[in-house]
Amino acid sequence: GAVVSQHPSWVICKSGTSVKIECRSLDFQATTMFWYRQFPKQSLMLMATSNEGSKATYEQGVEKDKFLINHASLTLSTLTVTSAHPEDSSFYICSARITRGNNEQFFGPGTRLTVL
Amino acid sequence: QKEVEQDPGPLSVPEGAIVSLNCTYSNSAFQYFMWYRQYSRKGPELLMYTYSSGNKEDGRFTAQVDKSSKYISLFIRDSQPSDSATYLCAMNRSGEKLTFGTGTRLTIIP
Repeated sequence: GAVVSQHPSWVICKSGTSVKIECRSLDFQATTMFWYRQFPKQSLMLMATSNEGSKATYEQGVEKDKFLINHASLTLSTLTVTSAHPEDSSFYICSARITRGNNEQFFGPGTRLTVL
Repeated sequence: QKEVEQDPGPLSVPEGAIVSLNCTYSNSAFQYFMWYRQYSRKGPELLMYTYSSGNKEDGRFTAQVDKSSKYISLFIRDSQPSDSATYLCAMNRSGEKLTFGTGTRLTIIP
């Protein structure tokens, strides 16, 4: 149980385009989802926290207009990287928490974004 | 000083050895302690999840938490080449965001 999927697993795009990444909880309902990015050989950096039906809370230094997060249902959250640039190339990982009273977080497999 | 300190390694041990991975932390309010395993180019996989001080065992893995010393450990017995990965410790207060260590790269040599 507690499986989280991400789509796509990798994407290559041209500079200036927008890319959408989906995060789905497959066998549970996730009231809260988290989006992280990870650079090579570094730990995870939390970008934002999203609760179903409300606006995402962004970490300091993360541009909310560039990284649009939507959590429209209890099983789906999306991250859209708008007007992507090469410096946005990274490994993006989502995680999901089952319920407000449950603290465990389960991670998706990640999406590798390369912006040319 | 980082909230969570973890030796980045790399750590190489022969197959069958006992591996000890550790993290120290400074925030005494942390209540939940986790160990994640991350293979290259994959998302982290939750290995162990513990609350407060004590030990927890799951197969070849044992997690220890010593809140008085602000020190947590993960032991891997009878290590296998498939255990080669990066191990991340993480911790938080209930419902709050996770604070991660930097991760330790572990290689098990056949």
